Parts: sequence; structure tokens; C-alpha cells
Amino acid sequence: EVQLVESGGGLVQPGGSLRLSCSASGFTFSSYWMNWVRQAPGKGLEWVANIKGDGSEKYYVGSVKGRLTISRDNAKNSLHLQMNSLRAEDTAVYYCVGGLGFLMDVWGQGTPVTVSS
Amino acid sequence: DIVLTQSPDSLAVSLGERATINCKSSPSVLSRYNNKDFLAWYQQKPGQPPKLLISWASTRESGVPDRFSGSGSGTDFTLTISSLQAEDVAVYYCQQYYGAPLTFGGGTKVEIK
Repeated sequence: EVQLVESGGGLVQPGGSLRLSCSASGFTFSSYWMNWVRQAPGKGLEWVANIKGDGSEKYYVGSVKGRLTISRDNAKNSLHLQMNSLRAEDTAVYYCVGGLGFLMDVWGQGTPVTVSS
Repeated sequence: DIVLTQSPDSLAVSLGERATINCKSSPSVLSRYNNKDFLAWYQQKPGQPPKLLISWASTRESGVPDRFSGSGSGTDFTLTISSLQAEDVAVYYCQQYYGAPLTFGGGTKVEIK
């Protein structure tokens, strides 16, 4: 069964850091582009970042450049998002999403991140 | 960045009636390389992650009921639910995967009238 399971979400103060992880199973992880997509409470979907299967290419939405870093460990079938200098506007459910190419067709259940003092 | 504008923001349709959602892209998401539109449609039900319904503007994913159809090319796209069922109540998003940053439309909430 194709599955993505996120972890690492929680409550963090503004300016703080958090590291999200995503564990993949049921497919050839190293062949997939992997993404983080977020959804603020009551709002729409926002793509955050993605990384190529071999890790050689990474792309980010402008609002997170320099603060959030995507990475992957193909030996462990895992994806990560290091989140630094967090702001209130980063509060959202973060989804781990995979696909062959930029089409995103495998979604996790999401992990919530709340940035608040 | 490619901007996707969805309309309407919400619509209420009677059971068995047609629901139509529009998505306008600026600029175009049609690739001159392979003559394909890099446009997808997702369905999100409350408390669930989005589910891919349609890729390449009009290709239904495996298991998606045939009452869902996608059409359009270039800059104008439509998702049609031909006969609305109770389980179709959800928010629908268009999304372009032509290039980074990947972008979504604002979403359309579909309800039963």
C-alpha cells in the first residue's frame, strides 16, 4: 500500500524552529519528486517546496526561501522540512506529497504546525 | 509565477444536477514540447487531504467516477460534475504543475442546494 506518514508538528514560538519528517512506503521513493504543501486554518492549499528524486534539484515558494529547507534520505525513505525563523503565518497543516514529475498524486494525512507565543 | 483564478468561490447544486467550476491560468500551462496542459484538479473533503481527480486537464485518475470530467486548454479550464451526488460535497482546487513555484487556485466549495 502506498503510504506517506508525517510527523514532527506541534506548537512553537515565533522565531523558533521545527523539523518535520515524512516516512514513505509502498513505492520506489527515490524515483519520486517529493513536496511539502501547507494549508492554513480555513484557507486554501499552498505549495511550499519540492525536491527531485536524487536530491539534485530543490524549489521553494518565495515566502519561505532562506527559512525552510527541504531534504531527503533515500536510504531511509524519508523526507524532511527544517523550519527556522518561524512566523505566525507559517501556522498550517503541512502535507507530504509525492509524484512522478511535478504532478502530485500521493498525499499524507498531514501534521499541524502552530506558531504562537 | 503562474496565477490560477477559480470561479465561483462556492456553488450550491441540487442532487443529480450539473456543477461547473472554472479555472483561468495566467500565463498558459500548455507545453509546446508535448502539447499537454499541466493542469490538475483535486477534491478535498473536510478533515481529509486532497485527492487527485484529474491530470493533464482531462485525464481522470483510476477509480474516479466518470461523472467527473475536465476540459479546456491553454488558459481556460473547467471541471464538470455531471450529476451531483451527496458524496461530492467538497472543496475543489485546480493546480498547475507546469513549473515552480507550483500554484493552486483559491478553491471552490460545492454544496447541496
